[in-house]
Amino acid sequence: DAGVIQSPRHEVTEMGQEVTLRCKPISGHNSLFWYRQTMMRGLELLIYFNNNVPIDDSGMPEDRFSAKMPNASFSTLKIQPSEPRDSAVYFCASSFYGLAEVSYEQYFGPGTRLTVT
Amino acid sequence: AQSVAQPEDQVNVAEGNPLTVKCTYSVSGNPYLFWYVQYPNRGLQFLLKYITGDNLVKGSYGFEAEFNKSQTSFHLKKPSALVSDSALYFCAVSPANTGGFKTIFGAGTRLFVKA
Repeated sequence: DAGVIQSPRHEVTEMGQEVTLRCKPISGHNSLFWYRQTMMRGLELLIYFNNNVPIDDSGMPEDRFSAKMPNASFSTLKIQPSEPRDSAVYFCASSFYGLAEVSYEQYFGPGTRLTVT
Repeated sequence: AQSVAQPEDQVNVAEGNPLTVKCTYSVSGNPYLFWYVQYPNRGLQFLLKYITGDNLVKGSYGFEAEFNKSQTSFHLKKPSALVSDSALYFCAVSPANTGGFKTIFGAGTRLFVKA
């Protein structure tokens, strides 16, 4: 199994530019989570999807942030326009939640390190 | 408010000695509890979980944790530490009434194992 795949691994951009982070969850998983990790705030849940539907986006910091999951194997997190305070490591994680079986634990991708100058 | 506390920023232990990384939580209702480990420049890796049943749960790499409901704690332990255990450890809790979806992570505890 390839695990959760994220791209790019590193992104450096200038303030005001649009940034798109990508995630491919583990095949067969039906839940997907986006997190942000910083030294100051630790690991924050931004949004999560179940069966491609956004369930809770209360962690999304501002309207500049948006996330989509057009199908079971792909999700994007977009920041437009980006600001220096968005600099962080962004993680995608996936899990399986079913009627008869739930794994509960999440499997994380390697992260995207975003630097906004 | 629901929260997870890891009272130690850093834990130092000599190789071969037992280690404990502490975690306490505050959630309404029954909690699902987890430990994850993060190595430099990597994503978090799942170590173990408590959902229900036996309060002592065993996980990967020889780690175990004990759920203590009265003390609202879920401390991570290992009988004999290895240098390769040095990493950042996160305790996490998911309130059962969120269906296990919404996971709250602690701030993390950095473990240093000296040879």
